Amino acid sequence: KNEVEQSPQNLTAQEGEFITINCSYSVGISALHWLQQHPGGGIVSLFMLSSGKKKHGRLIATINIQEKHSSLHITASHPRDSAVYICAVWEDSWGKLQFGAGTQVVVTP
Amino acid sequence: NAGVTQTPKFQVLKTGQSMTLQCAQDMNHEYMSWYRQDPGMGLRLIHYSVGAGITDQGEVPNGYNVSRSTTEDFPLRLLSAAPSQTSVYFCASSQDRAETQYFGPGTRLLVL
Repeated sequence: KNEVEQSPQNLTAQEGEFITINCSYSVGISALHWLQQHPGGGIVSLFMLSSGKKKHGRLIATINIQEKHSSLHITASHPRDSAVYICAVWEDSWGKLQFGAGTQVVVTP
Repeated sequence: NAGVTQTPKFQVLKTGQSMTLQCAQDMNHEYMSWYRQDPGMGLRLIHYSVGAGITDQGEVPNGYNVSRSTTEDFPLRLLSAAPSQTSVYFCASSQDRAETQYFGPGTRLLVL
């Protein structure tokens, strides 16, 4: 059983739409990461957060520690946002990052 | 800064061959790790290192060896390649274990 669950698995949106990707985890954590992977490409870290909310351009990440849940929002989506978005959590006793399976996002013009 | 570099980008091996995947970083990061990415499986940790001279196993270490003689370099060795090792391999580094991870561009490995 994966300790990190992402939803949806796949998402298609039209350009300009607001997109939300969810990440739920089952244990107490000390940090949560959102990563982006373009098709055939490398992996880029978007956010690392342990509480509250962070914003970078059109991307917003939030985390609710009590509910063990994080969301990644993309405002005014654009075709270049098409990628796989991966949630990963760090729990001290694991000694490693635990990754979700990823959410495939396609934004059509 | 070049960040995290990996070589080669793509490699084809025959079953039983050995090879080394290279990883280097120029950010003076203590923590380095190797992952493999397979369809539907997500990223899985192979080995990691918390500093020069210190390495440890991740969740899928069998068939792989690592060493960390310098802060900059963290090579991954496949001792006797098997088709089950066909995958995309990513090296990553961070200042500390839970901190922002910086990934290399990946190595696509095909074992026939």
